[in-house]
Amino acid sequence: AQTVTQSQPEMSVQEAETVTLSCTYDTSESDYYLFWYKQPPSRQMILVIRQEAYKQQNATENRFSVNFQKAAKSFSLKISDSQLGDAAMYFCAYRPLSGGGADGLTFGKGTHLIIQP
Amino acid sequence: GAVVSQHPSWVICKSGTSVKIECRSLDFQATTMFWYRQFPKQSLMLMATSNEGSKATYEQGVEKDKFLINHASLTLSTLTVTSAHPEDSSFYICSATIANYGYTFGSGTRLTVV
Repeated sequence: AQTVTQSQPEMSVQEAETVTLSCTYDTSESDYYLFWYKQPPSRQMILVIRQEAYKQQNATENRFSVNFQKAAKSFSLKISDSQLGDAAMYFCAYRPLSGGGADGLTFGKGTHLIIQP
Repeated sequence: GAVVSQHPSWVICKSGTSVKIECRSLDFQATTMFWYRQFPKQSLMLMATSNEGSKATYEQGVEKDKFLINHASLTLSTLTVTSAHPEDSSFYICSATIANYGYTFGSGTRLTVV
């Protein structure tokens, strides 16, 4: 079974600075997807970024980028120029490519990100 | 696009009663819907996967007789918590697959059993 580990229960960063959230995972699959989701106090799950394991290039979305190390099974999220609106719980998630969309996500325990003004 | 509407957003019920939570896909057809449970300050745990027109698949440890899932149409999936007890109090979230292997989530239902 696959597992997702987020070893940082809480992180704090000054506004406008850069912060990196860690995520490692364990799977026997060779093809899969990795996600970072943001859950603000409203508890609505918001997709931040997605990475396909077969792509070597790291995904980027504006101020958000990932460092995907497939051999190390590591998938960290870097947030540049942190903004107050970035404050939220961040969850790393995994799903195998096999299954054709019939698989739910396996989530890590989450990292609570605090932005200091 | 690809919005899932989840209702109610919160519900309080008495112990022993049943509660139904609905998730509707508003602008697309959701052949597969996922139901998650989230305890306070914890992660989302997949409870079950529902496919339109067939029986739901439950994760290990989830009581299928307590958490009844119905996915009778391509736009509606329901989760009924039967004979609810205080330990069933939690935040329940539905999710549907969308194009390009993405997911869209409902806004969640906070269930409190008293």
